[in-house]
Amino acid sequence: DAGVIQSPRHEVTEMGQEVTLRCKPISGHNSLFWYRQTMMRGLELLIYFNNNVPIDDSGMPEDRFSAKMPNASFSTLKIQPSEPRDSAVYFCASRPDSSGNTIYFGEGSWLTVV
Amino acid sequence: QQQVKQSPQSLIVQKGGISIINCAYENTAFDYFPWYQQFPGKGPALLIAIRPDVSEKKEGRFTISFNKSAKQFSLHIMDSQPGDSATYFCAALPKAAGNKLTFGGGTRVLVKP
Repeated sequence: DAGVIQSPRHEVTEMGQEVTLRCKPISGHNSLFWYRQTMMRGLELLIYFNNNVPIDDSGMPEDRFSAKMPNASFSTLKIQPSEPRDSAVYFCASRPDSSGNTIYFGEGSWLTVV
Repeated sequence: QQQVKQSPQSLIVQKGGISIINCAYENTAFDYFPWYQQFPGKGPALLIAIRPDVSEKKEGRFTISFNKSAKQFSLHIMDSQPGDSATYFCAALPKAAGNKLTFGGGTRVLVKP
């Protein structure tokens, strides 16, 4: 099993630019999560999909952030326009089903906005 | 509102010592309590988990102790090794299907050789 695959692993971009982070969940998993990790705020859940449908996006910080899951094997998190305070590690995670307990994290996308 | 409070924020222990991390929660709907381990540059990975119907669970050198009445649970790392140096997160999940995991703030553990 390849695990949750995220890209890019590292991104440095200038303020105001659009950033797109990508995620391929584990095959067969039907729940997908996007988390943001910072020193100040720890691990924050941004959005949660089940069967490709957004279930809870209450953690999305503001309208500059958007996420899509066009099919069961792909999701994107987009920031437009990006700001320095968006600098963080963004994790994608997946879970086998909505009643399952264990979630599996990818290795993260390290974003720096300068 | 932080639903799962974790302490300490950081911990230094000598090789062979015991690392203890504590978590407390308020929501009585939580019924699954996992611990995740995160190494630098990696994503968190499930280490061990417990349900409130048992008071203790042990896997190798890692033990979870659970106190339902106090709404507290803790992770004990026995015979700590330098390879255990990582950040540890407690978490809690409500019983209802489809609900989301709530993480504690994390504890950075450093095991000195």
